[in-house]
Amino acid sequence: GAVVSQHPSWVICKSGTSVKIECRSLDFQATTMFWYRQFPKQSLMLMATSNEGSKATYEQGVEKDKFLINHASLTLSTLTVTSAHPEDSSFYICSANLPSTASYEQYFGPGTRLTVT
Amino acid sequence: AQTVTQSQPEMSVQEAETVTLSCTYDTSENNYYLFWYKQPPSRQMILVIRQEAYKQQNATENRFSVNFQKAAKSFSLKISDSQLGDTAMYFCAFMKREYGNKLVFGAGTILRVKS
Repeated sequence: GAVVSQHPSWVICKSGTSVKIECRSLDFQATTMFWYRQFPKQSLMLMATSNEGSKATYEQGVEKDKFLINHASLTLSTLTVTSAHPEDSSFYICSANLPSTASYEQYFGPGTRLTVT
Repeated sequence: AQTVTQSQPEMSVQEAETVTLSCTYDTSENNYYLFWYKQPPSRQMILVIRQEAYKQQNATENRFSVNFQKAAKSFSLKISDSQLGDTAMYFCAFMKREYGNKLVFGAGTILRVKS
């Protein structure tokens, strides 16, 4: 149980366009989801915390207008990279908590590789 | 703010041998959680082991065990009988539930298991 999926797994887009990445909890309802960015051979950097039905909370230094996060349902959060540029090329990972005060484990999606040309 | 330090960027070990990955962290909190995650070449994050700070007993999961030294703020991972499938990047992570369950990751250690 506790499976998180991401779609697409790999996307190539042209500079200046926008791209949407979906994160779904397949067998549980996730009130909180997290979005990370990872460069090759580096650690995960938390970008934002996504809460169902409310605005996302962004980490310091993350541009809210560039990385739009929507958590419209208990099983889906989306990250939209607007006006993408080559420097936005990266690996994006989402994770989710089980909706229980007793649970603290995060379940990770398989990641999405974004390449901006 | 909490910080997590992994001082070994890369390590290698022979198949069937034992290897220990180091992790130290800095916090003034008393109740928190510590994790080791594995990221193989597929880049899927996999939970290896977790430790609740209030538990004195070191966590163990099959070939994986930790040495949790709370006073020293140290949380090392020991992998016994290393297998080729253990080749991956390993991340140590800290979490406090009152901080919104956010994970703070270390820089990672690349482990290569050689045959």
